[in-house]
Amino acid sequence: QVQLVESGGGVVQPGRSLRLSCAASGFTFSNSGMHWVRQAPGKGLEWVAVISYDGSNKYYADSVKGRFTISRDNSKNTLYLQMNSLRAEDTAVYYCAKDRDSGGWGGVNYWGQGTLVTVSS
Amino acid sequence: DIQMTQSPSSLSASVGDRVTITCRASQGISNNLAWYQQKPGKVPNLLIYAASTLQSGVPSRFSGSGSGTDFTLTITSLQPEDVATYYCQKYNSAPQTFGQGTKVEIK
Repeated sequence: QVQLVESGGGVVQPGRSLRLSCAASGFTFSNSGMHWVRQAPGKGLEWVAVISYDGSNKYYADSVKGRFTISRDNSKNTLYLQMNSLRAEDTAVYYCAKDRDSGGWGGVNYWGQGTLVTVSS
Repeated sequence: DIQMTQSPSSLSASVGDRVTITCRASQGISNNLAWYQQKPGKVPNLLIYAASTLQSGVPSRFSGSGSGTDFTLTITSLQPEDVATYYCQKYNSAPQTFGQGTKVEIK
């Protein structure tokens, strides 16, 4: 069965960096587009970034562009999100998510359980 | 960027009622729309993709329709286990914006 397990969340001061990881199993990771989606406490879903199956195409929400970088290592079946210059408004549960499409343009059919990132001094 | 607007923001209906949620895109997105259900304290779950295709394992009381800018999620007979927040999402281009969500409760 498909499993997506996020790690790397925690409490971080404003302006600092954090890297999230997502270990994937139960499907052919190297054939799948992947996303990061976040949800601030008590709020709705916010799409963050998408990466194509081979890492050649990446797109970001305006709110994180220039600060966050999505990447993947297909040899390790792992997705990453490097988050720099963190702000209080980045506080959220971050979900790793698998797309139906290899390019990342088909909708999300599997979600991880999420990892909480809290940005606070 | 294309904005996604859901209505209503919340609704309360009786068990067995027909429930309709609307999602409007500020520009045409063809049928590149998904619907998700998020139960309290749980991870989102895909219900519908390509505007009207039911995801495997999703009960047939859920259906989706629409194309272009106007889309609808319908629950034909509301059940207690359908209490959740429902989100639409466009995926034709970046950013892959979600609607703000519609909270469904039982009256």
